[in-house]
Amino acid sequence: GAVVSQHPSWVICKSGTSVKIECRSLDFQATTMFWYRQFPKQSLMLMATSNEGSKATYEQGVEKDKFLINHASLTLSTLTVTSAHPEDSSFYICSSRRERGTDTQYFGPGTRLTVL
Amino acid sequence: DQQVKQNSPSLSVQEGRISILNCDYTNSMFDYFLWYKKYPAEGPTFLISISSIKDKNEDGRFTVFLNKSAKHLSLHIVPSQPGDSAVYFCAARRQTGANNLFFGTGTRLTVIP
Repeated sequence: GAVVSQHPSWVICKSGTSVKIECRSLDFQATTMFWYRQFPKQSLMLMATSNEGSKATYEQGVEKDKFLINHASLTLSTLTVTSAHPEDSSFYICSSRRERGTDTQYFGPGTRLTVL
Repeated sequence: DQQVKQNSPSLSVQEGRISILNCDYTNSMFDYFLWYKKYPAEGPTFLISISSIKDKNEDGRFTVFLNKSAKHLSLHIVPSQPGDSAVYFCAARRQTGANNLFFGTGTRLTVIP
């Protein structure tokens, strides 16, 4: 299967700071990348869809000004959690898809964010 | 609003026996269903899928069954192996090419040697 990497794997930050998480598609150029969030004992929830070269599409209830997504190249998407608060502590996971219409998403290993 | 549900958080099975993981959904508009397997510290990996026009799909030791009238699907693993121990997520998609996958909360399978 395809390889998707995320960096960092775990980050602890102070409340009010911003954190950037990188997602890289190592095996193929991903026209679309996705960002998910998973709270403890809950399912993965899609936050936003990121298309290379265009603005991200956010799901209902996700603040686009708080969760900045940049997809500057076909192999890299970044998620920046701005002015992080303890309630943003969660497991953030990205996935990539080769082309629209295909069903398989390849997931990264995830990033655990803890905001103190 | 949890549209995909996996009501069993964990399951233990003896090696060589059958593992049956269950998943229920509420949205009748879902037309494609997927199972992902996740090991610790790794992202979910795609395992097997099924379209709503089918009721069964088989791939080696893995078979997925879909009962549309009951809005229920299950993943059968036969025979179960210790390497199958992982968290299994069920996911559903609403329409062809749609971005949004709706995930269940996962079932942790432990295969006992």
